[in-house]
Amino acid sequence: LAKTTQPISMDSYEGQEVNITCSHNNIATNDYITWYQQFPSQGPRFIIQGYKTKVTNEVASLFIPADRKSSTLSLPRVSLSDTAVYYCLVGERNDMRFGAGTRLTVKP
Amino acid sequence: NAGVTQTPKFQVLKTGQSMTLQCAQDMNHEYMSWYRQDPGMGLRLIHYSVGAGITDQGEVPNGYNVSRSTTEDFPLRLLSAAPSQTSVYFCASTAGTLLATQYFGPGTRLLVL
Repeated sequence: LAKTTQPISMDSYEGQEVNITCSHNNIATNDYITWYQQFPSQGPRFIIQGYKTKVTNEVASLFIPADRKSSTLSLPRVSLSDTAVYYCLVGERNDMRFGAGTRLTVKP
Repeated sequence: NAGVTQTPKFQVLKTGQSMTLQCAQDMNHEYMSWYRQDPGMGLRLIHYSVGAGITDQGEVPNGYNVSRSTTEDFPLRLLSAAPSQTSVYFCASTAGTLLATQYFGPGTRLLVL
């Protein structure tokens, strides 16, 4: 079961690009990398998912190097409303293990 | 399309009482799961189900029972509540594929005195 390591917290300012890196040294061949966002008093919300290289959607980009031992979630031009906890997960649906996540605080 | 719904939103129990947390989804998802989240921590998987009539244990199953009689509903039962079960409980569902895009409910906040 692949374990993930993320920074506990990060601060940023409105309009900046934020990159959150997740380490997953023991990722298995069939594992996908998934990121979720959680606001206080709400359930997590899916942001993006990828297997290798780069994935981009309307919310974020996900960069995965060739060895897949880490991944970076990139949030362009963050706003105050992006203040949340971000979780990196590796595995399949019934092996979903949430770590403590990264608490991102966006300041004015 | 309501997505994943959970009831109640908040509940206070006394030690030893029993209760059922309700979870329903209207997306015809095969896979459903229950998580608990303690303060400052991530979510931990309690039980999950890959379809009606099939359930399995997750990371922290002790003290909880589940059943899956229909595709839509996945109730979580606490037979004898303990203070250690004070937590926020989230239900989630996903389509029957390996890609783990889960949809979470709003959560139930449980306080056991």
